[in-house]
Amino acid sequence: AQSVAQPEDQVNVAEGNPLTVKCTYSVSGNPYLFWYVQYPNRGLQFLLKYITGDNLVKGSYGFEAEFNKSQTSFHLKKPSALVSDSALYFCAVRDLMFSGGYNKLIFGAGTRLAVHP
Amino acid sequence: DAGVTQSPTHLIKTRGQHVTLRCSPISGHKSVSWYQQVLGQGPQFIFQYYEKEERGRGNFPDRFSARQFPNYSSELNVNALLLGDSALYLCASSGTGLAGPPYNEQFFGPGTRLTVL
Repeated sequence: AQSVAQPEDQVNVAEGNPLTVKCTYSVSGNPYLFWYVQYPNRGLQFLLKYITGDNLVKGSYGFEAEFNKSQTSFHLKKPSALVSDSALYFCAVRDLMFSGGYNKLIFGAGTRLAVHP
Repeated sequence: DAGVTQSPTHLIKTRGQHVTLRCSPISGHKSVSWYQQVLGQGPQFIFQYYEKEERGRGNFPDRFSARQFPNYSSELNVNALLLGDSALYLCASSGTGLAGPPYNEQFFGPGTRLTVL
């Protein structure tokens, strides 16, 4: 079965410090991986995606993610955290085994990022 | 361009009632998917509709149904509501057809917060 795991419920970081939000995946075939962010009482906003090619993917708001095939990981990173980055972050993988087409995403449980001033 | 819109924003129902949630995709998008996000969890896939036909269904009971209209807007219906149906219901649209490409991101609406008492 295809799955995504986010091992940390919460990540705390001081403003200005680098941040990492972890994600590991298990898929059959090539992984198509996504990061979304959710602010309170809001829907999900797309941050970035990994298709193929460069292992370092750059996305919105200064975020980037590093794809590591040997470790089956897709960690979200940012060099310098902002208080406004505080939100819920979700890692997701496209379910390629789903017979109904390519629009089914499997999400992790989410990681709450808290950036302190 | 307007993003994905959903209505209503909030809804309170009692057990046994039914509810209808509405979604309008991004203009030009023909695929609509519905997800349920229970508090503290990642979104779970409910349905995908493409070109007005159900193309896939997640692990949800028959009390959940949906349809897509000729203008590609969609409704999610839930009958015989249970307390456990309380959740944020997210609609996502995508320009991706059934055959891919599998790496196109989905765009989510703000969600409808359903509370069942």
